[in-house]
Amino acid sequence: GAGVSQSPSNKVTEKGKDVELRCDPISGHTALYWYRQSLGQGLEFLIYFQGNSAPDKSGLPSDRFSAERTGGSVSTLTIQRTQQEDSAVYLCASSPRTGYSNQPQHFGDGTRLSIL
Amino acid sequence: RKEVEQDPGPFNVPEGATVAFNCTYSNSASQSFFWYRQDCRKEPKLLMSVYSSGNEDGRFTAQLNRASQYISLLIRDSKLSDSATYLCVVAHFGNEKLTFGTGTRLTIIP
Repeated sequence: GAGVSQSPSNKVTEKGKDVELRCDPISGHTALYWYRQSLGQGLEFLIYFQGNSAPDKSGLPSDRFSAERTGGSVSTLTIQRTQQEDSAVYLCASSPRTGYSNQPQHFGDGTRLSIL
Repeated sequence: RKEVEQDPGPFNVPEGATVAFNCTYSNSASQSFFWYRQDCRKEPKLLMSVYSSGNEDGRFTAQLNRASQYISLLIRDSKLSDSATYLCVVAHFGNEKLTFGTGTRLTIIP
């Protein structure tokens, strides 16, 4: 598998718990993106990384959300004190590089998060 | 007003027909344009990039009109496997964020 890998594929947790979602991008892709998609809604941008730094965190919905990336590869998205409105599919994407010509992004299968 | 607007559909089209989707975007600084498709409960997948001169990939033709801030996708000789949601996607110069439309749902009827 040379694609973007996300884990877990499904996560069910109780309101108030913390969750951690993982994304393993395509090897060699320096740019990594997190989105979420609520039922029947479009994709909502959360954050992107160029290497290990996050130039644009504008989409994070609250300070309960944080993300990090280490070694220019794997990224984790952490949601603290989860709320029911956090229920969604969290999608990760990667692209070879950023630059003047935006590269198409390749998506993982997503993590389906359900907050009870 | 949403930054990227699409007719949500659904479009129910007989197999073999030609179908066209439109998309408008509000930010004139937008510089990169894509069509993605998303199957039910699956991740979005790139269908094609959209270039100013228009481009074709088999049965699919994409057009961009910068003056009108309008993007289109034409599917000829539609197949059952074309049934999916088609997402119009826009990116701005110097900004890595992709902005997705909410998608147009297409169902090809046998």
